[in-house]
Amino acid sequence: EDQVTQSPEALRLQEGESSSLNCSYTVSGLRGLFWYRQDPGKGPEFLFTLYSAGEEKEKERLKATLTKKESFLHITAPKPEDSATYLCAVLRRNTDKLIFGTGTRLQVFP
Amino acid sequence: EPEVTQTPSHQVTQMGQEVILRCVPISNHLYFYWYRQILGQKVEFLVSFYNNEISEKSEIFDDQFSVERPDGSNFTLKIRSTKLEDSAMYFCASSLATDTQYFGPGTRLTVL
Repeated sequence: EDQVTQSPEALRLQEGESSSLNCSYTVSGLRGLFWYRQDPGKGPEFLFTLYSAGEEKEKERLKATLTKKESFLHITAPKPEDSATYLCAVLRRNTDKLIFGTGTRLQVFP
Repeated sequence: EPEVTQTPSHQVTQMGQEVILRCVPISNHLYFYWYRQILGQKVEFLVSFYNNEISEKSEIFDDQFSVERPDGSNFTLKIRSTKLEDSAMYFCASSLATDTQYFGPGTRLTVL
C-alpha cells in the first residue's frame, strides 16, 4: 500500500538554526514527489516537484532532495516567517491522486 | 500570478442539508480535483475531473457527492445530504497536466 511518513511531527528552531525535514515514502511507480507549505486555515502552497532520485530543487532558504526511499527539505538559516506546516505528497503512475503525509509543523523563534 | 479561488470561505449548514462548494481553477488548467482535510488529519483525495468527466474517485466519494463544471470557469462539489462527519476543510486544486497540483484557499464546512 502506498504510504508517506513525515518526521519529525513538530520542530522548533531558533532563527538562523538550519535543519532538515524528512519524508519517507513507499509507492509503486513514483511519478513525482511534491512539497507544499500550509499556513493555519489555508490551502497547501506549492513549493517543489521532484521526479527522480538525485534531483535537487532550491528556492530561497529551502532545498529539496530526493532518493529512492525518501526526500529531505533542508531549511537554511530559517526566519520566523518560515513557520508553517510542511507537507510532502507523492503521485503514483496511472493515478491522479496525491497521497499526503501528516506534515511537519515548523516553528521558528526570533 | 494566477491562483485557484474558492467560495465561500466558510459554510455552516444543518445535518441533512445540501451544500455546494465552488471553485474557479487556474484558467488554462485542464485537470481539476477536490480534497478534504478533517481537523488535525491528513489531506485526503476525493475526486479528479478531466474532459467533463470524473477520472478517478476515492472510497470517500460516495453517492452523496457529485462534481460539475457548469461553465468554462467554475468547478463545483455538491454534498446532497450532509452528515456531521463531513465537517472539514475542502480544497479545490487544478493542474495543467497530470502533474503539479495548485490548491485553493479552502472552504471550511461546518455541519451542525
